[in-house]
Amino acid sequence: EIVVTQSPVTLSVSLGERATLSCRASQSLGRNVAWYQQKPGQAPRLLMYGVSIRATGVPGRFSGSGSGTDFTLTISSLQSEDFAVYYCQRGVTFGGGTIVEIQ
Amino acid sequence: EVQLVESGGGLVQPGGSLRLSCEASGLMFNMYWLNWVRQAPGKGLEWVANIKEDGSEKKYVDSVEGRFTISRDNAEMSVYLQMSSLRVEDSGTYYCVSDIWGTGGAFNVWGQGTEVSVSS
Repeated sequence: EIVVTQSPVTLSVSLGERATLSCRASQSLGRNVAWYQQKPGQAPRLLMYGVSIRATGVPGRFSGSGSGTDFTLTISSLQSEDFAVYYCQRGVTFGGGTIVEIQ
Repeated sequence: EVQLVESGGGLVQPGGSLRLSCEASGLMFNMYWLNWVRQAPGKGLEWVANIKEDGSEKKYVDSVEGRFTISRDNAEMSVYLQMSSLRVEDSGTYYCVSDIWGTGGAFNVWGQGTEVSVSS
């Protein structure tokens, strides 16, 4: 069973700053790693898939990278609409999520 | 427009049963695996079950194996989750999700969710 751990649990960031979210797995995840954004009261929204491919409509300030067991979602310049919870996923396994909050 | 619309949630006592439904529109329904993903109040996402395009394969998370049954009716463009022997820890929002745009198993279509509350 693959275990996926996200860190940090909470990330406090100021508007315009860079945010780096980590997703680490207990074994290699290959290339099918995805990231989701969830805002309060809403269903999750796919942000990234295939490690680094932005889903339709996702702004260019979001980028994904990584390989093997370590993956990263980077938001280059936080906008107000980016404050949310972010999950990584591979197959049927989700990470526990990272809350990105306003500092 | 592609849509997945869940229904059937509600309040049920521990040990009770509930049947969730998810009706799809705007897609070739019989071409895709369908999944149920749940989220306990204030918690993260947990995959629950999925079913192959023709219903010939079904998979479940260990915690619901033997209690939940996923099924589908391609003519009705619907997928179902029959939940029995419900526990308090089954409470949460249940989402119907799928990968219909070929994103390598990433869930690119989500329903709005239906709430399940298991409580005495």
